[in-house]
Amino acid sequence: QKEVEQNSGPLSVPEGAIASLNCTYSDRGSQSFFWYRQYSGKSPELIMFIYSNGDKEDGRFTAQLNKASQYVSLLIRDSQPSDSATYLCAVYSGGYQKVTFGTGTKLQVIP
Amino acid sequence: SQTIHQWPATLVQPVGSPLSLECTVEGTSNPNLYWYRQAAGRGLQLLFYSVGIGQISSEVPQNLSASRPQDRQFILSSKKLLLSDSGFYLCATVPPRRTEAFFGQGTRLTVV
Repeated sequence: QKEVEQNSGPLSVPEGAIASLNCTYSDRGSQSFFWYRQYSGKSPELIMFIYSNGDKEDGRFTAQLNKASQYVSLLIRDSQPSDSATYLCAVYSGGYQKVTFGTGTKLQVIP
Repeated sequence: SQTIHQWPATLVQPVGSPLSLECTVEGTSNPNLYWYRQAAGRGLQLLFYSVGIGQISSEVPQNLSASRPQDRQFILSSKKLLLSDSGFYLCATVPPRRTEAFFGQGTRLTVV
Protein backbone atom coordinates (compact mmCIF):
# COMPACT_ATOMS: atom_id res chain seq x y z
CA GLN A 1 0.00 0.00 0.00
CA LYS A 2 1.35 3.40 -0.97
CA GLU A 3 1.75 5.84 1.89
CA VAL A 4 -0.12 8.64 0.11
CA GLU A 5 -2.50 7.85 -2.73
CA GLN A 6 -4.10 10.12 -5.29
CA ASN A 7 -5.97 9.57 -8.53
CA SER A 8 -3.56 10.58 -11.29
CA GLY A 9 -6.31 12.05 -13.49
CA PRO A 10 -6.47 14.03 -15.61
CA LEU A 11 -9.45 15.68 -14.01
CA SER A 12 -11.16 18.00 -16.46
CA VAL A 13 -13.59 20.67 -15.29
CA PRO A 14 -15.14 23.63 -17.13
CA GLU A 15 -14.13 27.14 -16.20
CA GLY A 16 -16.13 28.40 -13.22
CA ALA A 17 -16.90 24.92 -11.89
CA ILE A 18 -15.75 23.32 -8.63
CA ALA A 19 -12.76 20.98 -8.86
CA SER A 20 -12.57 18.26 -6.21
CA LEU A 21 -9.25 16.53 -5.54
CA ASN A 22 -8.88 13.60 -3.16
CA CYS A 23 -6.10 11.91 -1.23
CA THR A 24 -5.80 9.04 1.23
CA TYR A 25 -2.88 8.22 3.52
CA SER A 26 -1.84 5.13 5.42
CA ASP A 27 0.06 6.40 8.51
CA ARG A 28 -2.41 7.09 11.31
CA GLY A 29 0.33 8.97 13.17
CA SER A 30 0.48 11.64 10.47
CA GLN A 31 0.22 15.11 11.90
CA SER A 32 0.02 17.63 9.10
CA PHE A 33 -1.45 17.60 5.63
CA PHE A 34 -0.65 19.76 2.65
CA TRP A 35 -1.67 20.54 -0.89
CA TYR A 36 0.93 21.70 -3.39
CA ARG A 37 0.44 22.97 -6.90
CA GLN A 38 3.06 22.15 -9.53
CA TYR A 39 3.13 23.69 -12.97
CA SER A 40 4.93 21.77 -15.69
CA GLY A 41 8.70 22.04 -15.31
CA LYS A 42 8.48 23.98 -12.05
CA SER A 43 8.95 23.06 -8.40
CA PRO A 44 5.91 22.48 -6.14
CA GLU A 45 4.30 25.47 -4.46
CA LEU A 46 2.45 25.17 -1.14
CA ILE A 47 -1.17 26.33 -1.45
CA MET A 48 -2.95 24.88 1.60
CA PHE A 49 -2.19 23.13 4.86
CA ILE A 50 -4.50 21.61 7.45
CA TYR A 51 -3.82 20.05 10.84
CA SER A 52 -7.25 19.41 12.39
CA ASN A 53 -10.36 17.55 11.32
CA GLY A 54 -12.83 19.65 9.40
CA ASP A 55 -12.60 22.32 6.75
CA LYS A 56 -10.15 25.13 6.19
CA GLU A 57 -10.89 27.83 3.66
CA ASP A 58 -8.49 30.24 1.96
CA GLY A 59 -9.93 32.26 -0.88
CA ARG A 60 -11.16 29.88 -3.59
CA PHE A 61 -9.51 26.89 -1.90
CA THR A 62 -10.98 24.65 0.80
CA ALA A 63 -9.04 21.80 2.38
CA GLN A 64 -10.94 19.06 4.19
CA LEU A 65 -9.46 16.53 6.62
CA ASN A 66 -11.01 13.38 8.07
CA LYS A 67 -8.44 11.60 10.23
CA ALA A 68 -10.76 8.71 11.08
CA SER A 69 -11.09 7.91 7.38
CA GLN A 70 -7.48 8.98 6.64
CA TYR A 71 -8.77 11.21 3.90
CA VAL A 72 -7.81 14.68 2.71
CA SER A 73 -9.45 16.67 -0.04
CA LEU A 74 -9.05 19.98 -1.83
CA LEU A 75 -11.90 21.93 -3.37
CA ILE A 76 -11.21 24.69 -5.86
CA ARG A 77 -14.20 26.96 -6.44
CA ASP A 78 -14.68 29.06 -9.57
CA SER A 79 -11.92 27.15 -11.35
CA GLN A 80 -9.80 29.19 -13.74
CA PRO A 81 -7.60 28.06 -16.67
CA SER A 82 -4.62 29.24 -14.59
CA ASP A 83 -5.50 26.53 -12.04
CA SER A 84 -4.52 23.90 -14.61
CA ALA A 85 -1.59 22.12 -12.98
CA THR A 86 -0.71 18.98 -11.07
CA TYR A 87 -1.87 18.99 -7.44
CA LEU A 88 0.22 17.06 -4.95
CA CYS A 89 -1.03 15.85 -1.60
CA ALA A 90 1.63 15.61 1.11
CA VAL A 91 1.71 14.26 4.65
CA TYR A 92 4.13 15.03 7.48
CA SER A 93 4.87 12.17 9.86
CA GLY A 94 6.18 13.59 13.10
CA GLY A 95 7.84 10.41 14.32
CA TYR A 96 10.17 10.21 11.34
CA GLN A 97 10.04 13.94 10.49
CA LYS A 98 9.58 13.16 6.83
CA VAL A 99 7.24 14.61 4.25
CA THR A 100 5.72 12.06 1.87
CA PHE A 101 3.98 13.02 -1.36
CA GLY A 102 1.34 11.38 -3.46
CA THR A 103 1.84 10.98 -7.19
CA GLY A 104 -0.35 14.00 -7.93
CA THR A 105 -3.59 14.66 -9.79
CA LYS A 106 -3.44 16.58 -13.05
CA LEU A 107 -6.21 19.18 -13.27
CA GLN A 108 -7.32 20.67 -16.57
CA VAL A 109 -9.68 23.65 -16.51
CA ILE A 110 -11.39 24.01 -19.86
CA PRO A 111 -12.19 27.63 -20.93
CA SER B 1 11.42 33.62 5.36
CA GLN B 2 13.75 30.93 4.10
CA THR B 3 15.30 30.73 0.64
CA ILE B 4 16.54 27.51 -0.91
CA HIS B 5 19.32 27.67 -3.49
CA GLN B 6 19.90 24.79 -5.88
CA TRP B 7 22.32 24.60 -8.76
CA PRO B 8 22.72 23.97 -11.56
CA ALA B 9 19.24 24.32 -13.04
CA THR B 10 19.95 21.81 -15.79
CA LEU B 11 22.64 19.18 -16.19
CA VAL B 12 23.47 16.64 -18.88
CA GLN B 13 25.85 13.91 -17.78
CA PRO B 14 27.12 10.71 -19.45
CA VAL B 15 26.42 7.31 -17.96
CA GLY B 16 29.11 6.34 -15.48
CA SER B 17 30.10 9.90 -14.60
CA PRO B 18 29.97 11.27 -11.04
CA LEU B 19 27.35 13.67 -9.73
CA SER B 20 27.28 16.35 -7.08
CA LEU B 21 24.23 18.53 -6.51
CA GLU B 22 24.30 21.16 -3.82
CA CYS B 23 21.51 22.78 -1.89
CA THR B 24 21.93 25.66 0.53
CA VAL B 25 19.32 27.31 2.71
CA GLU B 26 19.16 30.90 3.90
CA GLY B 27 16.94 32.53 6.50
CA THR B 28 16.60 29.68 8.97
CA SER B 29 18.79 27.59 11.25
CA ASN B 30 18.67 23.87 12.03
CA PRO B 31 16.09 23.04 9.35
CA ASN B 32 15.13 19.55 8.25
CA LEU B 33 16.42 19.00 4.71
CA TYR B 34 15.13 16.67 2.01
CA TRP B 35 16.14 15.44 -1.44
CA TYR B 36 13.36 14.32 -3.77
CA ARG B 37 13.46 13.01 -7.32
CA GLN B 38 10.64 13.31 -9.82
CA ALA B 39 10.82 11.15 -12.93
CA ALA B 40 9.04 12.45 -16.03
CA GLY B 41 5.28 12.49 -15.43
CA ARG B 42 5.63 10.94 -11.99
CA GLY B 43 5.28 11.94 -8.36
CA LEU B 44 7.95 13.01 -5.87
CA GLN B 45 10.10 10.19 -4.55
CA LEU B 46 11.82 10.91 -1.23
CA LEU B 47 15.50 9.97 -1.53
CA PHE B 48 17.15 11.28 1.64
CA TYR B 49 16.32 13.46 4.58
CA SER B 50 18.35 15.00 7.37
CA VAL B 51 17.35 16.36 10.77
CA GLY B 52 20.82 17.67 11.64
CA ILE B 53 24.48 17.93 10.64
CA GLY B 54 25.85 14.51 9.70
CA GLN B 55 22.44 12.84 10.19
CA ILE B 56 21.18 11.25 6.97
CA SER B 57 18.22 8.90 6.52
CA SER B 58 17.99 7.01 3.25
CA GLU B 59 14.63 6.07 1.78
CA VAL B 60 15.73 4.39 -1.42
CA PRO B 61 18.78 2.09 -1.60
CA GLN B 62 20.52 2.85 -4.88
CA ASN B 63 23.70 4.41 -6.23
CA LEU B 64 23.03 7.81 -4.67
CA SER B 65 24.28 9.20 -1.37
CA ALA B 66 23.75 12.38 0.60
CA SER B 67 25.75 14.40 3.06
CA ARG B 68 25.13 17.38 5.32
CA PRO B 69 28.48 18.91 6.13
CA GLN B 70 27.00 22.16 7.46
CA ASP B 71 23.70 23.13 9.07
CA ARG B 72 22.28 24.68 5.92
CA GLN B 73 24.04 22.65 3.23
CA PHE B 74 22.78 19.39 1.76
CA ILE B 75 24.65 17.53 -0.99
CA LEU B 76 23.46 14.72 -3.24
CA SER B 77 26.15 12.59 -4.86
CA SER B 78 26.75 9.61 -7.06
CA LYS B 79 29.97 7.92 -8.03
CA LYS B 80 28.57 6.49 -11.28
CA LEU B 81 25.35 7.69 -12.86
CA LEU B 82 22.83 5.33 -14.44
CA LEU B 83 20.32 6.16 -17.17
CA SER B 84 17.59 5.62 -14.57
CA ASP B 85 19.01 8.50 -12.50
CA SER B 86 17.54 11.01 -14.96
CA GLY B 87 14.88 13.21 -13.43
CA PHE B 88 14.02 16.44 -11.69
CA TYR B 89 15.89 16.70 -8.38
CA LEU B 90 14.35 18.89 -5.73
CA CYS B 91 15.77 20.04 -2.43
CA ALA B 92 13.28 20.98 0.27
CA THR B 93 13.45 22.38 3.76
CA VAL B 94 11.12 22.24 6.74
CA PRO B 95 12.03 25.07 9.12
CA PRO B 96 12.15 24.44 12.88
CA ARG B 97 8.75 24.28 14.62
CA ARG B 98 7.06 24.00 11.22
CA THR B 99 5.87 20.98 9.25
CA GLU B 100 5.38 22.36 5.74
CA ALA B 101 8.11 21.87 3.15
CA PHE B 102 9.48 24.59 0.90
CA PHE B 103 11.26 23.78 -2.32
CA GLY B 104 14.21 25.05 -4.29
CA GLN B 105 13.93 25.56 -8.03
CA GLY B 106 15.21 22.08 -8.80
CA THR B 107 17.86 20.55 -11.06
CA ARG B 108 16.82 18.75 -14.21
CA LEU B 109 19.33 15.94 -14.75
CA THR B 110 19.55 14.03 -18.01
CA VAL B 111 21.87 11.05 -18.10
CA VAL B 112 22.91 10.15 -21.65
